[in-house]
Amino acid sequence: SQTIHQWPATLVQPVGSPLSLECTVEGTSNPNLYWYRQAAGRGLQLLFYSVGIGQISSEVPQNLSASRPQDRQFILSSKKLLLSDSGFYLCAWSVSRTDTQYFGPGTRLTVL
Amino acid sequence: GEDVEQSLFLSVREGDSSVINCTYTDSSSTYLYWYKQEPGAGLQLLTYIFSNMDMKQDQRLTVLLNKKDKHLSLRIADTQTGDSAIYFCADNAGNMLTFGGGTRLMVKP
Repeated sequence: SQTIHQWPATLVQPVGSPLSLECTVEGTSNPNLYWYRQAAGRGLQLLFYSVGIGQISSEVPQNLSASRPQDRQFILSSKKLLLSDSGFYLCAWSVSRTDTQYFGPGTRLTVL
Repeated sequence: GEDVEQSLFLSVREGDSSVINCTYTDSSSTYLYWYKQEPGAGLQLLTYIFSNMDMKQDQRLTVLLNKKDKHLSLRIADTQTGDSAIYFCADNAGNMLTFGGGTRLMVKP
């Protein structure tokens, strides 16, 4: 069966520091991968999605970036965090873009 | 683009039925979904319905789809405190899933 992992679960970072969040999927090949941000129990904001290695689409311009160095690995990065980057970051995967999405457990990021 | 709307908040008493509503604008969906998010956790797929169905029942959950009105609902029978969560509807009408803003369900004992 397929599983999706996110690391770390919780992160507290100072303003201006770099960021790297990791998402890995097991049990499937060539998944579509997604990064979402959720502010304080609110709705989901799609940040990036990827249909294959090295293929990244950005939905919202910001100081975040994403990379997909391996088929089942999706990384969210920033060179310098802002206070507004605080939130709950969710990774998800699907077989295709219009298929069911399955979510990871999330990473709680607090920028101080 | 597709727009999916939900009310923000619903409060019910334990043992009552809960009805969470969702409206959407694009009628070309093939699937419509309900996800549940418990505090501090990711979204969990609760149930889904094919667009050619009007109703789907799964234990305490009943999904109703009114394609004419572009309205989707989730009914939870005998609501329990463990049902307290945020519920998201979603459809696949666009080039990927579009999520509503989520409805926070609070169950009072």
